[in-house]
Amino acid sequence: QVLLVESGGGVVQPGTSLRLSCAASGFTFRNYGMHWVRQAPGKGLEWVAVISGDGNNNHYADSVKGRFTISRDNSENTMYLQLNSLRVEDTAMYFCAKDGGWNYYIDVWGKGTTVTVSS
Amino acid sequence: DIQMTQSPSTLSASVGDRVTITCRASQSISSWLAWFQQKPGRAPELLIYDASTLESGVPSRFSGSGSGPDFTLTISSLQPDDFATYYCQQYDSYPVTFGQGTKLEIK
Repeated sequence: QVLLVESGGGVVQPGTSLRLSCAASGFTFRNYGMHWVRQAPGKGLEWVAVISGDGNNNHYADSVKGRFTISRDNSENTMYLQLNSLRVEDTAMYFCAKDGGWNYYIDVWGKGTTVTVSS
Repeated sequence: DIQMTQSPSTLSASVGDRVTITCRASQSISSWLAWFQQKPGRAPELLIYDASTLESGVPSRFSGSGSGPDFTLTISSLQPDDFATYYCQQYDSYPVTFGQGTKLEIK
C-alpha cells in the first residue's frame, strides 16, 4: 500500500534552517507529483509547495516563496523540503502528500512531522 | 489566488442526521474540487475528488455535488465515526487553496 513517512522536524530558532524528508513506498514514485501541506497548531490546512514527478516543475505558496525549496530524488523515492530563514509563523505540522497524477487532487497523506520555530 | 469559503464553520448534529457542508470558490474552478476529513491528531483523508467522485473505500453515505463556484458535501446519515473536521480544496490552479474547515460536532 502507499506509504509516506516524513522526518526531519524539530525545534529551531528564528532565522535558522531545517530540511524535511518524505520517504515514499508502494507506488511508482517518479510518476507522481508530490506536495507539502502544513497545519499550524489549532488552525486549518495551508498548502506549501508541489513538485512534478520528474522534478522539473514546482510551485510555491507566496508565504514561503524564496525561503523554502522543494526537491526530490527519484532514485531514493524521497522528497525534500528545505526550510530557510525560518519564522515563528512557520511553526506547524508539515504533511507530505501524493498527487493523483500531476496538477490533480491529493490522494494520500503522510502522518506529518512537527516544526517548531521559537526563540 | 482562488479563495475557498466554507460554511458553516461549526455544525452540531446527531447520529442519523443528514448534513450538508458548502464550499464556494472566488472564481470558477470547473469540477476541480476535493473534500477531506480530518480527525484530531491525524492526517487528512480524501473523501471525494472531481467534486463528486467518491474515493475508493469511502462509505456511500458521503456524496459531493456542484461545479463552477458552488459545491456541497452531504452525509446522508451521520455515524459516530463522522464527527471530524472537513475541508474543501481546489486544484484548478496554483496555489492550491483550502477552505477554512467545518467542524462537525455531536449535538
